[in-house]
Amino acid sequence: DVKVTQSSRYLVKRTGEKVFLECVQDMDHENMFWYRQDPGLGLRLIYFSYDVKMKEKGDIPEGYSVSREKKERFSLILESASTNQTSMYLCASSRQGVYNEQFFGPGTRLTVL
Amino acid sequence: KNQVEQSPQSLIILEGKNCTLQCNYTVSPFSNLRWYKQDTGRGPVSLTIMTFSENTKSNGRYTATLDADTKQSSLHITASQLSDSASYICVVSFSYGNNRLAFGKGNQVVVIP
Repeated sequence: DVKVTQSSRYLVKRTGEKVFLECVQDMDHENMFWYRQDPGLGLRLIYFSYDVKMKEKGDIPEGYSVSREKKERFSLILESASTNQTSMYLCASSRQGVYNEQFFGPGTRLTVL
Repeated sequence: KNQVEQSPQSLIILEGKNCTLQCNYTVSPFSNLRWYKQDTGRGPVSLTIMTFSENTKSNGRYTATLDADTKQSSLHITASQLSDSASYICVVSFSYGNNRLAFGKGNQVVVIP
């Protein structure tokens, strides 16, 4: 079974803090993705990576950065958290190719106070 | 603009009844369409995948249809169960890039006894 794990299910941070969200997959997938999900807006792509040390901006990269030093691990970084970054964050991974399913982690619900 | 529209936004159905969820898309170039099920507090899980040449695909009590000419898809749930209460997300894959997706906002289904 494919497994995508995220470091925290719930996280509460204060405005201005640096926040790290970690994602690990165990299926040797090339692609990894970070999304945020907000009521009424659906899933929106923040960043994705198709190889180690490679990254590309998604639709809403502002205020975020990412790191992929190892194939199985993809980190999302909020350099200075703001209240409008309160959201559900979902990580996903997949093999290369348009027919391959993206497998999602359980999500991290981040609240920024 | 690439868009995926779903209707109805939410619905309540009695246990044992059937329901149909709709998805219209304007994604181009089209590769495939998936329906994902997302239980509350969890990540989405793929139910079906349909390519350009497929009209119907079933997964247990879930049946998806695709009309590539009119760019419409539906997900039919037969003999609903309480465990079908979830958000159902229509996801369209582009035929280029590293598995980039366009997401609908989801159909929220609540099954009541």
